[in-house]
Order: sequence, then structure tokens, then C-alpha cells
Amino acid sequence: AQTVTQSQPEMSVQEAETVTLSCTYDTSESDYYLFWYKQPPSRQMILVIRQEAYKQQNATENRFSVNFQKAAKSFSLKISDSQLGDAAMYFCAYTPGRTGGGADGLTFGKGTHLIIQP
Amino acid sequence: DGGITQSPKYLFRKEGQNVTLSCEQNLNHDAMYWYRQDPGQGLRLIYYSQIVNDFQKGDIAEGYSVSREKKESFPLTVTSAQKNPTAFYLCASSISGLGSNQPQHFGDGTRLSIL
Repeated sequence: AQTVTQSQPEMSVQEAETVTLSCTYDTSESDYYLFWYKQPPSRQMILVIRQEAYKQQNATENRFSVNFQKAAKSFSLKISDSQLGDAAMYFCAYTPGRTGGGADGLTFGKGTHLIIQP
Repeated sequence: DGGITQSPKYLFRKEGQNVTLSCEQNLNHDAMYWYRQDPGQGLRLIYYSQIVNDFQKGDIAEGYSVSREKKESFPLTVTSAQKNPTAFYLCASSISGLGSNQPQHFGDGTRLSIL
């Protein structure tokens, strides 16, 4: 079974600084998809960024970027120029790619609580 | 606007009672999912359905049941066999996974508590 591990229960960063959230996963699949979701206090799950395992290039979305290390099974999220609105729980998630992105359901890590200090 | 609607937002269950959580989507997505979230935990997959009239158990299906009679609807029943049902339940949907790499979209959730 696949597992996703987020080793940082909580992280704190000063506003405007950069922070990196860690995620490692375990799978025997060669084709899969990885996601970072944000869950603010409203409890809504918001997609931040996604990465296809077959792509060498790291995904980026504005201030959010990932460092995808396939051999190490590592998928960290870097948030640049942190803003107060970035404060939330962040979840790393995995799904096998044999049927595409997510049809089999996602496996989530336990999350990292990100605090932004003004 | 297209989206996923979960109802009710809050639900209370008495001992020995079955309750049903509603999930409706107007995104024309084929696949739908139910997740459970406990405090300080990530989401865990309960059931999922890739197409109408078909569904599969996820990691924690015991004590739950689902149906998928319509493409836009995927209700979850929490039965009396589920001994610890207090949690936050999230419904999601996505374009069919066959050849697709589209992410899942989530509803706003239902909080279920025991009376």
C-alpha cells in the first residue's frame, strides 16, 4: 500500500519570507501523480499544485513551487514571499497513474500546519 | 457556477441510527469520492465511484454504504455499525481517470457528531 509522510506537524514563517514543507511517499508504481492541497480554517480543500511523476520539470504556480525528487520519493512545497492568507493546513497527496489522476482516490499525509507571523 | 454541494453542514446521530450525507455535483464529473477527516489527521478514503452504478471500497469502508444511481449524486450512509462516526466528511469529484490527470474538486464538508 502507498503511504505519504509529512514529518513537520507545524511550521512557522515570517511574512514575506520563504518556507519549505516536506513530503515523502512510498510506492512501487512508476507512474503516479502528486498533489499539494491547502485547507484553511474554513475546512475547504483547495488544490495548490500538482506534479506528474513522468515529468522531470518541477511544477510551479506563481509563488508556489515543488522540488520533486523521484529517486528519493520526495515532494516538497516551497512557498515564496509568504502572505498572511497562506496560513492553513497543507496536505500532500498521492494517486497511482495507471488510470490517470485521482480516479482511484487520493492517499493523504497527515498535514503540516503553516503559521504566518506578521 | 459549477461545484459540489454537501448537505447538511452539521449532522447529529443518535446511537443505533443510520444517517445519510448528501453530495451533489454539477461539474459533469464521472468519478466521485468520500473521505473522512479526524482531528489532526489527513483525509482517508471511504468509498469511490468511477461511473454510475459502480463503486469500490476505500481504505476505511466498514460501517459505511454508498449508492451511485445518478451521475451527479453520491450519497453516503453512516450505519449503526460504524462505532466511531464523529468526524468531518468530505465529498470530491473528478473527470474520469481513464487517460485523465485532472485533480479532485472538493465540497465544503459535513461535520457529523454523536448525540
